[in-house]
Amino acid sequence: EDQVTQSPEALRLQEGESSSLNCSYTVSGLRGLFWYRQDPGKGPEFLFTLYSAGEEKEKERLKATLTKKESFLHITAPKPEDSATYLCAVPRVSGSSASKIIFGSGTRLSIRP
Amino acid sequence: GAVVSQHPSRVICKSGTSVKIECRSLDFQATTMFWYRQFPKQSLMLMATSNEGSKATYEQGVEKDKFLINHASLTLSTLTVTSAHPEDSSFYICSAPDGGANVLTFGAGSRLTVL
Repeated sequence: EDQVTQSPEALRLQEGESSSLNCSYTVSGLRGLFWYRQDPGKGPEFLFTLYSAGEEKEKERLKATLTKKESFLHITAPKPEDSATYLCAVPRVSGSSASKIIFGSGTRLSIRP
Repeated sequence: GAVVSQHPSRVICKSGTSVKIECRSLDFQATTMFWYRQFPKQSLMLMATSNEGSKATYEQGVEKDKFLINHASLTLSTLTVTSAHPEDSSFYICSAPDGGANVLTFGAGSRLTVL
């Protein structure tokens, strides 16, 4: 069964303190791995898509990497505005033309000023 | 970029009543839309796949008679929570794939509170 597991569940950092979030996955034939950011009371906002092991993508203070079994979201010198829940997701093969996207439980990131 | 509009953002209703939530793709067509449900401090759980011109497909454990989905056009899907009860109180979020990359664009969500 396809699974996405994220760790840690919650992470509190001091402003400027770099760290990484983990996403482990088990899927039959990876067709992309997605990272989203979700602010409280809002829908998720797309950040990155990674397709193959070794691929990296960056956006401001965030960098996403992918291996054959897991993905990391590295956050460098975070600011309080980076506080949010970060969600990892993978497509699950379905009968429809559009793949169902399955989400991990998320990491709640809190950055203290 | 692609925008998905969801309405209402908040709704409070009495137990036993029905509530309709709309999801619109504003600048693109969506033959498929997905409905998710999210409880506090939990992740998104896929409820159903809405298909334009055909019946929705529901995930295991989701009551299709309870959560009615209609995909009326290439830009509109609706979720109706019928005979709502307090346990149906949750955050409902719709999404649509943007182009061929399987990247989902999400609506802002609808907070349902059933009294």
